Amino acid sequence: KAGVTQTPRYLIKTRGQQVTLSCSPISGHRSVSWYQQTPGQGLQFLFEYFSETQRNKGNFPGRFSGRQFSNSRSEMNVSTLELGDSALYLCASSSTGYTEAFFGQGTRLTVV
Amino acid sequence: DAKTTQPNSMESNEEEPVHLPCNHSTISGTDYIHWYRQLPSQGPEYVIHGLTSNVNNRMASLAIAEDRKSSTLILHRATLRDAAVYYCILHLWGTYKYIFGTGTRLKVLA
Repeated sequence: KAGVTQTPRYLIKTRGQQVTLSCSPISGHRSVSWYQQTPGQGLQFLFEYFSETQRNKGNFPGRFSGRQFSNSRSEMNVSTLELGDSALYLCASSSTGYTEAFFGQGTRLTVV
Repeated sequence: DAKTTQPNSMESNEEEPVHLPCNHSTISGTDYIHWYRQLPSQGPEYVIHGLTSNVNNRMASLAIAEDRKSSTLILHRATLRDAAVYYCILHLWGTYKYIFGTGTRLKVLA
């Protein structure tokens, strides 16, 4: 079956702009979580959604937000982009949030 | 906050066993230990997970210390395709999130 799909794969944005990233989970999976990966901080948890409800959120400013749709697809939005937001953003899906998670290939965001 | 500690890098010869250690002294009783690996330009890939008992699957074995403050991922016969960054992760029960460590970069020598 198809894996986790993230779009777009690459993005270049200017400081101050906003960006929306998309994640399509594996069919049947209802939990979607988001992570930010940078060389300095490694992989850090952003938030997790299950059946359209956010169940947990990491320590990121309010500029980072997300949502999940009824078909389990998820989006994350970053407003007022800063240079430090340049990172690989990874989405992971699992059936419940407790089971094995499958990661997408990520979206590489560069803020200039 | 819970955290894991791993060596930055390790090397192994091809077709030899590899033991990747991880310390997680702040682990709680309900936290699961997961291992994922990440190849260049890829998202992390699940390897194995466990709670208290040692676990085996087709990819690897996970040995968990009796006090659960450390664990070891065992690759029985390393291949060149096993070269990756291996992350030891705590999955905090009830929080739905993974706490990633800094990972161990495994180099496999032909």
